[in-house]
Amino acid sequence: GESVGLHLPTLSVQEGDNSIINCAYSNSASDYFIWYKQESGKGPQFIIDIRSNMDKRQGQRVTVLLNKTVKHLSLQIAATQPGDSAVYFCAERNAGGTSYGKLTFGQGTILTVHP
Amino acid sequence: DAGITQSPRHKVTETGTPVTLRCHQTENHRYMYWYRQDPGHGLRLIHYSYGVKDTDKGEVSDGYSVSRSKTEDFLLTLESATSSQTSVYFCAISDERYEQYFGPGTRLTVT
Repeated sequence: GESVGLHLPTLSVQEGDNSIINCAYSNSASDYFIWYKQESGKGPQFIIDIRSNMDKRQGQRVTVLLNKTVKHLSLQIAATQPGDSAVYFCAERNAGGTSYGKLTFGQGTILTVHP
Repeated sequence: DAGITQSPRHKVTETGTPVTLRCHQTENHRYMYWYRQDPGHGLRLIHYSYGVKDTDKGEVSDGYSVSRSKTEDFLLTLESATSSQTSVYFCAISDERYEQYFGPGTRLTVT
């Protein structure tokens, strides 16, 4: 899995499988989290967000799970398609001190979907 | 890209020359941000703006300045470009709801 600030892992899946991308965050004061998708040569694209008072949120084919006890965030993609191939990274919003409101981004996970 | 454009999209410049990158939004969002993205470092905040003429530094602001004279435009200036500033630069915007939307990026090469 991914940890904010560390190296870039990879995940390879077959088309139609479910994908799970993980992210460990370090700031227990973070109150808001976002998942982004970045395709080659493009800017990051917002996928889904979740506030710290929730533990699960669902979107279209995506689900984000938040476990504050272990400071872990995951993105689940159902029925993964070749068009889902991209770099996925999480971001956390700092909720205290001089960094209030700023996002800290993880390095990302490379998802490759094989037809 | 949520009504965000960046110009230029690609630029090659020489060490020591000034460079200005432009971010333009049509969403009327209050907050605007400049990030750089480098392998091994992810996205790092350079400067951000919380209103017209209101800006503040991010974590990697040395060597960069910004200006925001209109809601829709946020300029990033490298006063004297160095090779370490070779990177992909992204602009982002947000309203009061926290999620940030990114532009298409500018690839800058300093030779």
